[in-house]
Amino acid sequence: DAMVIQNPRYQVTQFGKPVTLSCSQTLNHNVMYWYQQKSSQAPKLLFHYYDKDFNNEADTPDNFQSRRPNTSFCFLDIRSPGLGDAAMYLCATSSDWVTNEKLFFGSGTQLSVL
Amino acid sequence: QQQVKQSPQSLIVQKGGISIINCAYENTAFDYFPWYQQFPGKGPALLIAIRPDVSEKKEGRFTISFNKSAKQFSLHIMDSQPGDSATYFCAASGNTGKLIFGQGTTLQVKP
Repeated sequence: DAMVIQNPRYQVTQFGKPVTLSCSQTLNHNVMYWYQQKSSQAPKLLFHYYDKDFNNEADTPDNFQSRRPNTSFCFLDIRSPGLGDAAMYLCATSSDWVTNEKLFFGSGTQLSVL
Repeated sequence: QQQVKQSPQSLIVQKGGISIINCAYENTAFDYFPWYQQFPGKGPALLIAIRPDVSEKKEGRFTISFNKSAKQFSLHIMDSQPGDSATYFCAASGNTGKLIFGQGTTLQVKP
């Protein structure tokens, strides 16, 4: 009964080759987030959606884009992956952006860039 | 001022012992302080959280102690078990909604 599902679990791409990571949720939450987590570091927020409203963090590179076609699904597109983009990408959801209570994370997609 | 500082970076505790992880913040607008537990290869999971109107919250073996005047909060894991071995992140958020994570503590509980 996984609530935030990320696919694929592992993704290998080549330097500069576009890649898309996907996330789906069964919680019907308004807010969906994408985090980047590098080894032994805290998760770093890339952007979030409140319903269809997209909110980009100021320091998120333009190379990272996102789409949310409906409440349940959200995609992370990396247009031209560099070696420094190798990381775990975590999708998360919550019912409310302001209170931020009970952020539910998926198991992540481990991205390798060759 | 947006930082949350977490210590120690790593911690080794014997089975049955008490694990203590500390966090400090500067932004007085923070009003929500969760702790997340992350096992290798998994996403973080909410463990326990507190708001500043109470000084302590206990859930099973896990307790958050909160000191508003010192702007510090800590996680205590009583009777630590090998299954508690994981990375623990403290975090804080306020009226901006953005969750600010600490740097993480890797806990190893030895049998």
